[in-house]
Amino acid sequence: RKEVEQDPGPFNVPEGATVAFNCTYSNSASQSFFWYRQDCRKEPKLLMSVYSSGNEDGRFTAQLNRASQYISLLIRDSKLSDSATYLCAVANQAGTALIFGKGTTLSVSS
Amino acid sequence: DTGVSQDPRHKITKRGQNVTFRCDPISEHNRLYWYRQTLGQGPEFLTYFQNEAQLEKSRLLSDRFSAERPKGSFSTLEIQRTEQGDSAMYLCASSPGTGGNTIYFGEGSWLTVV
Repeated sequence: RKEVEQDPGPFNVPEGATVAFNCTYSNSASQSFFWYRQDCRKEPKLLMSVYSSGNEDGRFTAQLNRASQYISLLIRDSKLSDSATYLCAVANQAGTALIFGKGTTLSVSS
Repeated sequence: DTGVSQDPRHKITKRGQNVTFRCDPISEHNRLYWYRQTLGQGPEFLTYFQNEAQLEKSRLLSDRFSAERPKGSFSTLEIQRTEQGDSAMYLCASSPGTGGNTIYFGEGSWLTVV
């Protein structure tokens, strides 16, 4: 099992749609989880941290399920500007670095 | 701009040549990371520094790769005898080392080996 696995993409949705991404991780001892956004040929940028209780930032909601070892990202009311690749990141066993998934590409169309 | 800074942003080199990338982390961030990213993949961890100490290296970091952070501030990543398979974006990131593992990336250095 890969350390971090994400839903295969691409996701093609119309404006206003709700879309959800899942990410599974193999290290049950991981303590830190994140979603990053990456635009084409740009660096990844932190979108949000994922907390045990779940957290929301505007149209974005992140959740953690430790028992099943997955995290999710929900985007409501999709905008054209949400089109990007979304990377899931999980702390490694030592807690010293982040391990990234391959990313899921979202394309929002009008 | 006080973000992570990388130089050069783009490098085209012939196979067999050596290349060096520089990274200046966010001021006072004591953790510095190098990642590599190829098309269709997520960033792959290469190595990690806590201040000037290189504490972790991935098995991806072959003996042709060397990284340094001599004074605990900027870092360099050198690739010797480049191969076409080294073509990728090399990302540097830094972290304050407290408050979780949030890391902040620089804009990356694109390497093309021809």
